[in-house]
Amino acid sequence: GAVVSQHPSWVICKSGTSVKIECRSLDFQATTMFWYRQFPKQSLMLMATSNEGSKATYEQGVEKDKFLINHASLTLSTLTVTSAHPEDSSFYICSARGAGTYYNEQFFGPGTRLTVL
Amino acid sequence: LAKTTQPISMDSYEGQEVNITCSHNNIATNDYITWYQQFPSQGPRFIIQGYKTKVTNEVASLFIPADRKSSTLSLPRVSLSDTAVYYCLVGADTGTASKLTFGTGTRLQVTL
Repeated sequence: GAVVSQHPSWVICKSGTSVKIECRSLDFQATTMFWYRQFPKQSLMLMATSNEGSKATYEQGVEKDKFLINHASLTLSTLTVTSAHPEDSSFYICSARGAGTYYNEQFFGPGTRLTVL
Repeated sequence: LAKTTQPISMDSYEGQEVNITCSHNNIATNDYITWYQQFPSQGPRFIIQGYKTKVTNEVASLFIPADRKSSTLSLPRVSLSDTAVYYCLVGADTGTASKLTFGTGTRLQVTL
């Protein structure tokens, strides 16, 4: 099956610093990638949708200047949390969808746990 | 997207069949029903999808009545490793704008 990887799997940073998370589709071309955030014991919340070569579409309430998303190639999307604060600590998960696949068959990465001190 | 309602949690013993029902009273004609499984500290994994009647794969079965206002995910003979959160999603393909909306999910705990 299709594999999506994320790097790093966990990161601890100081408040005010920026953190970049990578999401890669390893064996297929991802025309669309999604970024989710999940707090403990809660469901996944979609943050943004990005199509290769286009600007990301952010969900309501998600600050686009704080969560920078780049989808420069068909196999790589990055999420940069700028000026991170403790309230940004969460589990960040990406998913990818290939061309010609059902919209609901997304392949998810293993997630990145961000802790901001 | 149609709103879904699932039980918050369920308990089962190993070896039993588990049925998780999801209500989606406002499902639209073009909507499909999809179930995902999520283990702790991992991304969700696609389990099964269906439109009507019954769908079966190597992992689970999905039962959808004629009115499609609900669906039931059936896990045969669960094991401890099936302990996870199960999400029911309803929606349709709208091209590049398509997205998944996760509800609260059902936390399944399997014990010996």
